[in-house]
Amino acid sequence: DGGITQSPKYLFRKEGQNVTLSCEQNLNHDAMYWYRQDPGQGLRLIYYSQIVNDFQKGDIAEGYSVSREKKESFPLTVTSAQKNPTAFYLCASTLTGTGDEQFFGPGTRLTVL
Amino acid sequence: QKEVEQNSGPLSVPEGAIASLNCTYSDRVSQSFFWYRQYSGKSPELIMSIYSNGDKEDGRFTAQLNKASQYVSLLIRDSQPSDSATYLCAVDNYGQNFVFGPGTRLSVLP
Repeated sequence: DGGITQSPKYLFRKEGQNVTLSCEQNLNHDAMYWYRQDPGQGLRLIYYSQIVNDFQKGDIAEGYSVSREKKESFPLTVTSAQKNPTAFYLCASTLTGTGDEQFFGPGTRLTVL
Repeated sequence: QKEVEQNSGPLSVPEGAIASLNCTYSDRVSQSFFWYRQYSGKSPELIMSIYSNGDKEDGRFTAQLNKASQYVSLLIRDSQPSDSATYLCAVDNYGQNFVFGPGTRLSVLP
């Protein structure tokens, strides 16, 4: 089955730690995206990548970093510089990255202890 | 900064009624518009995409787009309790990425 996988489903972090969230897709999509969702809120764009080895900051990139070394993978690192990282993190992809339909992974719920 | 706004909820409708969800956007150059459904604790799932002015129907769902008024809506006919969810409107941002509205929570009452 083609789709987007995210791991882990739940993640607990101590303050001061960096953590990396995994996102993998086997849809052969060019573009991938990371969003953050806080309770009762919409989605806010963290980073996006339209092509391998290239990515752009979204609206709330501070305290986050990404890499895009392979087409199918777009991991997100939440660094200790992110002051309030507890949230639901969603990875998504689109075929071409030019306004076509976007599909989401199941999400990772991150909690800072 | 592009903005996408949705009617504030929660919206409650009785089972079998029509639910009407509205979305307005600030950037006149937007070309692609999407409606997603999100159940509590789950990721968004695509319901409809619309690119041209007018109506687009898919089963019980109808998306309506009016680019001149910068307005896109979603109608759900014969609403079912299983339609109870948060509905997110998304608009493309110059073909680079997407801007999402805050969502409207819909409750369909049996």
